[in-house]
Amino acid sequence: AQKITQTQPGMFVQEKEAVTLDCTYDTSDQSYGLFWYKQPSSGEMIFLIYQGSYDEQNATEGRYSLNFQKARKSANLVISASQLGDSAMYFCAMSPIQGAQKLVFGQGTRLTINP
Amino acid sequence: ETGVTQTPRHLVMGMTNKKSLKCEQHLGHNAMYWYKQSAKKPLELMFVYNFKEQTENNSVPSRFSPECPNSSHLFLHLHTLQPEDSALYLCASSQALGQNEQPQHFGDGTRLSIL
Repeated sequence: AQKITQTQPGMFVQEKEAVTLDCTYDTSDQSYGLFWYKQPSSGEMIFLIYQGSYDEQNATEGRYSLNFQKARKSANLVISASQLGDSAMYFCAMSPIQGAQKLVFGQGTRLTINP
Repeated sequence: ETGVTQTPRHLVMGMTNKKSLKCEQHLGHNAMYWYKQSAKKPLELMFVYNFKEQTENNSVPSRFSPECPNSSHLFLHLHTLQPEDSALYLCASSQALGQNEQPQHFGDGTRLSIL
């Protein structure tokens, strides 16, 4: 079974600062994928970034980067130069590479960007 | 504008009512999913469809009945629900099972309240 743990229920950050959202995972699968999603108050889950367990380089997408440490089973999301529009819930999720894409989500972190 | 559209956005129903949630995706995907998001709980996968065939039922009570007439449409039929079924129901789609590196795309969800 897979499990995602996000230990930060809430984070408060000043605008333009960088922020790191923590995510640790547990799985017995050899190959797996890690995803981060953003959920604004409107409810939609917005895909941000993907990291495959076999990728040697950390994934980056614009202001988002994923700090992947396989040995420590962590996949932290780093948002650089935070903006007011970044205020939302952030979810870490994982899925096996083989078979059905069954995403397992963490509890989420509520990020608030202060002006 | 999201490529996955869910209707209605809000639904209030009594425990004896029958209603249906609708999801439509315009992304050319072949896999579709239903998730339940309750307060203070991680998203829970309910059902998975791949090319109109159900491939996953995550021990969902029979009062929830999914239907996938084609790869673009997904329904969730509801009958004799319980108060604990009040939640945000999210629909998602992805390329197809077996392409697990591709992210799932979510709709805005239907917020369901059971009286």
